[in-house]
Amino acid sequence: EDKVVQSPLSLVVHEGDTVTLNCSYEVTNFRSLLWYKQEKKAPTFLFMLTSSGIEKKSGRLSSILDKKELFSILNITATQTGDSAVYLCAVAADRGSTLGRLYFGRGTQLTVWP
Amino acid sequence: DAGVTQSPTHLIKTRGQHVTLRCSPISGHKSVSWYQQVLGQGPQFIFQYYEKEERGRGNFPDRFSARQFPNYSSELNVNALLLGDSALYLCASSLTGTGVATGELFFGEGSRLTVL
Repeated sequence: EDKVVQSPLSLVVHEGDTVTLNCSYEVTNFRSLLWYKQEKKAPTFLFMLTSSGIEKKSGRLSSILDKKELFSILNITATQTGDSAVYLCAVAADRGSTLGRLYFGRGTQLTVWP
Repeated sequence: DAGVTQSPTHLIKTRGQHVTLRCSPISGHKSVSWYQQVLGQGPQFIFQYYEKEERGRGNFPDRFSARQFPNYSSELNVNALLLGDSALYLCASSLTGTGVATGELFFGEGSRLTVL
């Protein structure tokens, strides 16, 4: 059974802290791993990772993929209250005639206190 | 440019009723996918449509159906509603059917369905 597991499920930090969010996966015909930020309703795209060991960065956020260990991490440095959200990890897989679908984890609820 | 738009934003139904949710993709996008997100869980894939054809279906009962129209908008229908169908229903669009793998998947704000 395909699965994506995120940890921790919730995290409370103070502004300025650095956090690491974890995502492990077991998905047949892996194609790519994606991170989304969900503040209220619509998930917004952060990163897509397809190759091991290549770090993606955007401002204070960075992410890396380990395809051997089936694992990815999302780092956020110098956290701000605006980083408070649910962070979703998703895996895209090839499924024959299906052109693509995402398998999501449960998400990590990050709360940043001022 | 308008993003992915969904309607209605909120609705309340009772068990056994039927519901229709609507989605308009970003202009020019030909693929629409539907996801169900139960409170505290990640989104679960329901359907993908590309060029008006069903290209993928998740592990949902036949009470769930969908279609895509010539203008690429889409409807999700759920019959014989159960309490467990209460969730946020997300629509996502992409330029092509392979949009997922390139990260070019854009989500709407969702339709919040409550079944009493």
